[in-house]
Amino acid sequence: NAGVTQTPKFRVLKTGQSMTLLCAQDMNHEYMYWYRQDPGMGLRLIHYSVGEGTTAKGEVPDGYNVSRLKKQNFLLGLESAAPSQTSVYFCASSSGDGTQYFGPGTRLLVL
Amino acid sequence: AQSVTQPDIHITVSEGASLELRCNYSYGATPYLFWYVQSPGQGLQLLLKYFSGDTLVQGIKGFEAEFKRSQSSFNLRKPSVHWSDAAEYFCAVIAGNNRKLIWGLGTSLAVNP
Repeated sequence: NAGVTQTPKFRVLKTGQSMTLLCAQDMNHEYMYWYRQDPGMGLRLIHYSVGEGTTAKGEVPDGYNVSRLKKQNFLLGLESAAPSQTSVYFCASSSGDGTQYFGPGTRLLVL
Repeated sequence: AQSVTQPDIHITVSEGASLELRCNYSYGATPYLFWYVQSPGQGLQLLLKYFSGDTLVQGIKGFEAEFKRSQSSFNLRKPSVHWSDAAEYFCAVIAGNNRKLIWGLGTSLAVNP
């Protein structure tokens, strides 16, 4: 039981490049979330999903897209990376009681 | 609107000393409350949670928290801090049926030997 895994762990992009972050969970959770964490700003919700095939915007969705084609996977895409998207990205999943379980994070540097 | 406030951005304690981290929330209904810990370079780990019942909740690593409705608080405590407790601590409250969490900005804990 791996819990929540994230791929990749670290990535460097140039401005304008695109990439996809993959989150996978093996706990059969309905809810999944993508956050970004920046110094002094805590955790900010980017997008979330309440079930397979659904997505919704969070607090800071601009510049990101997501897809939840399979229940266990939640993908976060950056179509045209900007330096402001340099951050640590966390994925989380949750069962019905709201407790969220986090992945180890992806560190993204956009030059 | 729901909100979570962690008044202390940074706290330093000596190893072996007691610890209390403050968390205040604003939420109209009965809240579901959480404390998470984040060690440097790591993801967030659940320490404890409160949904209902006994207002004193025990968690992992010797931590406990007390829900006080009258004060809208959910403070985290530990009687004797260890050097390995140095980390960032986040308080959160659940908001609505979509199970989104409202997060505090965190308290950074440093432990002096």
